[in-house]
Amino acid sequence: DTGVSQDPRHKITKRGQNVTFRCDPISEHNRLYWYRQTLGQGPEFLTYFQNEAQLEKSRLLSDRFSAERPKGSFSTLEIQRTEQGDSAMYLCASSRRQGARTGELFFGEGSRLTVL
Amino acid sequence: AQSVTQPDIHITVSEGASLELRCNYSYGATPYLFWYVQSPGQGLQLLLKYFSGDTLVQGIKGFEAEFKRSQSSFNLRKPSVHWSDAAEYFCAVGVSGGSNYKLTFGKGTLLTVNP
Repeated sequence: DTGVSQDPRHKITKRGQNVTFRCDPISEHNRLYWYRQTLGQGPEFLTYFQNEAQLEKSRLLSDRFSAERPKGSFSTLEIQRTEQGDSAMYLCASSRRQGARTGELFFGEGSRLTVL
Repeated sequence: AQSVTQPDIHITVSEGASLELRCNYSYGATPYLFWYVQSPGQGLQLLLKYFSGDTLVQGIKGFEAEFKRSQSSFNLRKPSVHWSDAAEYFCAVGVSGGSNYKLTFGKGTLLTVNP
């Protein structure tokens, strides 16, 4: 499978715990995006990397959220001190540079977080 | 700021019937417009996109969409729906800011197909 893969697919945690999600983009893609999708809503942009550089962060990304892409390949999204409002599907997408300007984002299947 | 409105939360059609999903956008410049489909347990898949030129664009799976600047709309159509088209459909507008690029999505329209 050469698509975008995300792990874990499902995570249930207690409020206050830390969680980390991993995204492996399509190998030749240098752009990587994180989105969040809550029930009844469309995906909302969180942050974006070009290679290892984090170029933009949404105001939705509070201080409890941190994303990294250390070697320009896979990325992690960590949520510290989780709150019930963090419960959502976290989507990762990747694209080539040219693809990004044409909206050719390839999405993974998402990591669903439930905070009890 | 840019925004996308999908007025219909849920649409039900019979298999073989025609389909039109509505999308209205708000953006100050010429928009880049997209339709994505999300099937249960699947990631979002790009159906089609519009950047410029011909206002009627063709996509995968027999879908098409028409850009109407005067109405700020980008409605998705299919002449004959198949049961496998049941999914959630998202309209999105592309925004370019500096060297970055991101999509703003609507809230989606859930399509149910009756046999």
